[in-house]
Formats: sequence, C-alpha cells, structure tokens
Amino acid sequence: EVQLVESGGGLIQPGGSLRLSCAASGFTVSSNYMSWVRQAPGKGLEWVSVIYSGGSTYYADSVKGRFTISRDNSKNTLYLQMNSLRAEDTAVYYCARGKLDSLVLLYWGQGTLVTVSS
Amino acid sequence: DIQMTQSPSSLSASVGDRVTITCQASQDISNYLNWYQQKPGKAPKLLIYDASNLETGVPSRFSGSGSGTDFTFTISSLQPEDIATYYCQQYDNLPPTFGQGTKVEIK
Repeated sequence: EVQLVESGGGLIQPGGSLRLSCAASGFTVSSNYMSWVRQAPGKGLEWVSVIYSGGSTYYADSVKGRFTISRDNSKNTLYLQMNSLRAEDTAVYYCARGKLDSLVLLYWGQGTLVTVSS
Repeated sequence: DIQMTQSPSSLSASVGDRVTITCQASQDISNYLNWYQQKPGKAPKLLIYDASNLETGVPSRFSGSGSGTDFTFTISSLQPEDIATYYCQQYDNLPPTFGQGTKVEIK
C-alpha cells in the first residue's frame, strides 16, 4: 500500500528555515516524480516543486532560490528545505507522487502545516 | 504560466441533481487536464486524469470531457458524500497550475 507521511511543519519566524520530510512506503521515491503542493489557509492549491526520477528539479517562481527539493534514497524520503521564509509561505504542505512518471498527482500525504509569523 | 479559470466558484444543488463545472485554460493544453476532489481537512484526491479518464475506484457518476482549452467535469447524480471543493489542474507545461476551485454544497 502506498503511503506518504509528511513531518517537520511548525511555527517559524519570518526569515527562518525549516525542512519538511515526506516518508514514503509501498514504492520507491527515486523511481517516481515527487512533488510538493501547498495550500494557504482557506485558499486553493499551489504547486511548489518537483523532482523527477532522473533527478531534475523544478520550482514555482514564488519559491525559486529559497526552497530546495531533494530525496534520500536510503531512507526513501522526500525533503523540502525552505529558507528565507515569508508570511506568504504559510500553508499546509503536501507531498504527492505522480502517476506513471507524470504530474498527475495520484498519491498524497496528509499534509503538514507551516506557519510563518513573528 | 498557464492560467486555469474554473467556474462557478461555488454551487448549491440537490441530491440527485446533475452538476457541471467548467475549466478554461489560457492556452491549448491538449488533454493534460486533471480533476481533484478535496474534502475539508483532507488531502486532494484524484478523480479524473487526462481530461476524461476515470481513476481506478472512483464512482462512475463522475466524468470529464474536453480538450484544447475548454473542459467540463460532471457529477451525474449528486450524492451527499460529494460535498467538497473540486479543482482542475493542467500539466501540459511547467509549472502545473490549478483552477481556483469550485465548492459544491447541498441545497
């Protein structure tokens, strides 16, 4: 059974850093397209970043240069390193696995809340 | 970025009604269009992929159609458990972009 479990969210001051983790089971992270998608409170869905099975990474303009997506194959875990956090980064962050090497987001974690506030 | 315009932003319908949501892309995206359902406090769930393909295990009352720039999502007979917000998403170009969502309520 495919499972994705996010962790690492919390309250952080503006300008701070946080690393989110997404522990996967039932499949191999490195063989799939893995994305982060976020949802600000009461708002819609916003795609944040993807790491392809080949290792290429892409980012939304809103986070480019501040966020870094990565994976640890030995731990079968996806990460999102978030630096220079801003109030507008406040959101629930979901990790998601693509369907058959695509950005059809088939499997989702339960999400982890990041609150950026002083 | 490709803009996805969903309408309506909310709707209220009776159990058993046919419900239709539209999604318009700002440029041709072929059939690279997905539909998700999100219930309050839960992660989104994939319902339809590639415009018209029903994901495994999704009830057949859900359907999708369209190609190019204009797409339609339909619930043929609204059920109480369908109360949720529905999002379209294009993945023809990076970044993948979502519509703003349609909140479906029971009248």
